This record gives sequence, C-alpha cells and structure tokens, in this order.
Amino acid sequence: EVQLAESGGGLVQPGRSLRLSCAASGFTFDDYAMYWVRRSPGKGLEWVSGISWNGGIIGYADSVKGRFTISRDNAKNSLYLQMNSLRIEDTALYYCAKETLKYTSTWYHFDYWGQGTLVTVSS
Amino acid sequence: QSALTQPPSVSGSPGQSVTISCTGTSSDVGGYNRVSWYQQPPGTAPKLMIYEVSNRPSGVPDRFSGSKSGNTASLTISGLQAEDEADYYCSSYTSSNSYVFGTGTKVTVL
Repeated sequence: EVQLAESGGGLVQPGRSLRLSCAASGFTFDDYAMYWVRRSPGKGLEWVSGISWNGGIIGYADSVKGRFTISRDNAKNSLYLQMNSLRIEDTALYYCAKETLKYTSTWYHFDYWGQGTLVTVSS
Repeated sequence: QSALTQPPSVSGSPGQSVTISCTGTSSDVGGYNRVSWYQQPPGTAPKLMIYEVSNRPSGVPDRFSGSKSGNTASLTISGLQAEDEADYYCSSYTSSNSYVFGTGTKVTVL
C-alpha cells in the first residue's frame, strides 16, 4: 500500500525557516517524480514544487522561487522542502504527492497524496 | 502563473448532471493534454479523478468524464450522488515547466 507521511510543520515567525519531510513507502520511490502542493486557509490548491525521479529536473512556483528548495534522498525514500524567508502568505497545509507515471522529467498528474502537514507563519 | 479559472460553485439534485469548466491559456490547458481533475471532500486529501483530459484511474466511477476544447477543459458528473459533494480542482502542466491548479469549484448536492 502506498503511503506518504509528511512531517515538520509548525508555527514559525515571518522570515524564519522550516524544513518539511515526506516519508514514502509501498512503491519504488526512485522511479517517480514527487511534488509539494499546498492549500491555504479558505483558498484552493497551489502547486509549490516538483522534482524528477532522479533529482535532475526541478521546478518551482513563482511564489516560492528563490526561497524554497526541494530535494530527495532516494536511499531514504524521502522528499524534503526547505522553506526559507517564510511569509505570512505561506501559511497552508502542505501535501506531498506522487507522480503517476514512471521516469518522467516533467509533470503529469498525482495519484497518491499524504494527509498534509500544517505550516503557520505568524508573529 | 495564474490559476486556471473555474466557477466557484455548481449544484444539482441527485441523479442530475453537472459540468465544471476550467479555462486556461494556450500555454497550459490549450497546449497540452495533461489536464487532470481532483476531488477533495472536506478534511481529506485530494483524489485523482481524471487524468490526461479524459482518462479515469481504476476505481473512479464512469459517472465522471472529462473533455477539452481549445483552452477550456470540462468535468461532467452524471447521475449526481450525495457522496460527490466536494471541492473539485482542474490542473495542467504549463509551458514554463511548472504546474497550475484551477481556482476550485464546490459541488453541492441539493
């Protein structure tokens, strides 16, 4: 059974940093691209970042480019999101999601999602 | 990247059909057949309902169907059921190697 478990969320002041993790199991992690998607309170889904199966291709939403860094450790079946210079508008539930297709270098669709980890940016 | 445009809400009685539109540009919806639809009931994670415009993952009822014309994609739910009440989001790959979701549509079963 595919499982994605996010962790690392919490309350943080504006301008500070936070690192999210996603532990994956139930599939061959290094065959698939992985993503971070967020949903802010009262708003819709927003794609944050994606990383290809081998880490060679990375993409970011304009809203986080230069502040967030996505990475993966295929040996540990883990996905990460380093979030620096956090802003109030980064407050959201952050989901980790798995690509449906193997060995993709661009983004297609997400067939499994975690339950999310809540990030609250507030002074 | 601007979010794809969806109607804020649609509603229908059980058994009726509803259609949700998703309007983008030639740089996303119109340029690629990588339009997907996700269902998100309150308090749960999103679920993939349609991929590559009109394909259903296994386990998704055939009441759900997708299509695309130009820069606008559509999701139709036929034979609406109470369990279909949720938020629905379209999404698409974009020409800048990013990904964009729609603004979301709340489906209410009357």
